[in-house]
Amino acid sequence: KQEVTQIPAALSVPEGENLVLNCSFTDSAIYNLQWFRQDPGKGLTSLLLIQSSQREQTSGRLNASLDKSSGRSTLYIAASQPGDSATYLCAVKKGGSEKLVFGKGTKLTVNP
Amino acid sequence: EPEVTQTPSHQVTQMGQEVILRCVPISNHLYFYWYRQILGQKVEFLVSFYNNEISEKSEIFDDQFSVERPDGSNFTLKIRSTKLEDSAMYFCASSGYRERETQYFGPGTRLLVL
Repeated sequence: KQEVTQIPAALSVPEGENLVLNCSFTDSAIYNLQWFRQDPGKGLTSLLLIQSSQREQTSGRLNASLDKSSGRSTLYIAASQPGDSATYLCAVKKGGSEKLVFGKGTKLTVNP
Repeated sequence: EPEVTQTPSHQVTQMGQEVILRCVPISNHLYFYWYRQILGQKVEFLVSFYNNEISEKSEIFDDQFSVERPDGSNFTLKIRSTKLEDSAMYFCASSGYRERETQYFGPGTRLLVL
C-alpha cells in the first residue's frame, strides 16, 4: 500500500528565504507526482505535475524534482513571500490507477 | 481560466439524512473524482468516474455512497444515510486524460453531520 510522507509538518521562515519541502513515497512504481497548495478552509490548487519519466518541473519561483528510484520529491520555493503561506501537499499516482495518494502536507508560514 | 465548481459550500445535516453534493467539472474533461478530507487528516480518494460508470473506488466508498452524472455538466455524490464520521470536506476533481494530466480540484463542500 502506497504511503506518502511529508517532512516537516510545519515550517516558518522569514520573507525572502529559499526553502525546500520534502515528500517521500514508499512504492516507487508511480506514474506521476503532483504538488498542490491548500489555503485554510479552501480547495486544492495544482502547482506542478511531474511525470515519472521527468526529473523536474519549474513554474515561476517553484521547482519540483523527482527521484523515483529513491521515492523522493522536493518542492523548492525561491525568494519566499508572505503570500506563499499555505499548506503544501504532494500526491502520487500509480500507473493503471485513478487515485491520487496524498501526504498530510507541510504548513508553511512566511513571515514579513 | 476554467475551473471546477461545487455546491453547496457548506451543508449541515442530521445523522441518517441523505445528502447530495454537486459538482460541475471543467467542460471538456472526461474523468471525474471525489475525494474527502476529514479535519486534520489527509485527503483521501473516494471514487473515480469515466464514461458514465465508476472506474475505481476505495474501501471508504461503500453502499452508502453513490455517484451520478445526471446530465452533460453535473457530477453528484450522494450519501444515503449520513453518519457522524461522514463529516468532512468533500472535493470534486476532474481531468482531461486519466494518467498524464493534472487533476483539477474544486473548492470543496464542508459537510457537518450532527
